[in-house]
Amino acid sequence: QVQLVQSGAEVKEPGASVKVSCKASGYTFTNYYMDWVRLAPGQGLEWMGIINLNTGGASYAQTFQGRLTMTRDTSTSTVYMELSSLRSEDTAVYYCARETRIVSVALFDYWGQGTLVTVSS
Amino acid sequence: AIQMTQSPSSLSASVGDRVTITCRASQDIRNDLGWYQQIPGKAPKLLIYAASSLQSGVPSRFSASGSGTDFTLTISSLQPEDFATYYCLQDYTYPYTFGQGTKLEIK
Repeated sequence: QVQLVQSGAEVKEPGASVKVSCKASGYTFTNYYMDWVRLAPGQGLEWMGIINLNTGGASYAQTFQGRLTMTRDTSTSTVYMELSSLRSEDTAVYYCARETRIVSVALFDYWGQGTLVTVSS
Repeated sequence: AIQMTQSPSSLSASVGDRVTITCRASQDIRNDLGWYQQIPGKAPKLLIYAASSLQSGVPSRFSASGSGTDFTLTISSLQPEDFATYYCLQDYTYPYTFGQGTKLEIK
C-alpha cells in the first residue's frame, strides 16, 4: 500500500533552516510528482511547490522563491523540503502529497502525516 | 497567480442537512479543480478531482460540479464525520492555489 512517512517535529530559531523528509513506499517512486503544502495556525492550506520525482525539476510558489528547495533521493525513495531564513510566520504543519496525473488532471491522492515546524526564539 | 474564492467561509448545519460550498476562480481553469477535506490534526483527504470525479472510497453523498470559473461541492446528507474544513484547489497552472477554506460546523 502507498505510504508517505515524514520526519518528526522540529523547533528552530528565527533565521535558521529546516529540512523535512518524506519517505515513499508502495509504488514506483519516479512515476509521480510530489507536492508540499503547509497549514499555519489559524490559516488555510498553502501550496508551496512541486518536484518531478523522475527528473528532479522543481517549481516553487513565488512566496518562497529563494528560500525553498525541494530535492529527492531515488535510491531511498525520499523527498526533502528545505526552507531557509525561517521566521515566526513559517510555524506550520508541513505535508508532502503525492501528485498523480491522469492526462491533464492532477490529484493529491496520498498525503504524509504532517511535520510540525515551530519557529521560536 | 489564480485566485480561488470560496464561500461561505463558515457554515453551521445539522446531521442530515444538504450543504453546498462554492469556489470561484479568477480565470478559466477548465475542470482542473479538486476538493479536499481537512479534519483537525489529520492530513487533508482528496474527495473530488477533475471538478466532478469522486475519488475511490469517498462516500457517494459527496458530489461536485462546475467548469471554467464556477464550481460547487455538495454533501447530500451530512454525517457526523463530515464536520471539517473543505478546500478547493486549482491544478490548472503553477502556482497551484487553494481556496481559503470553508469550515463546516455542527449546528
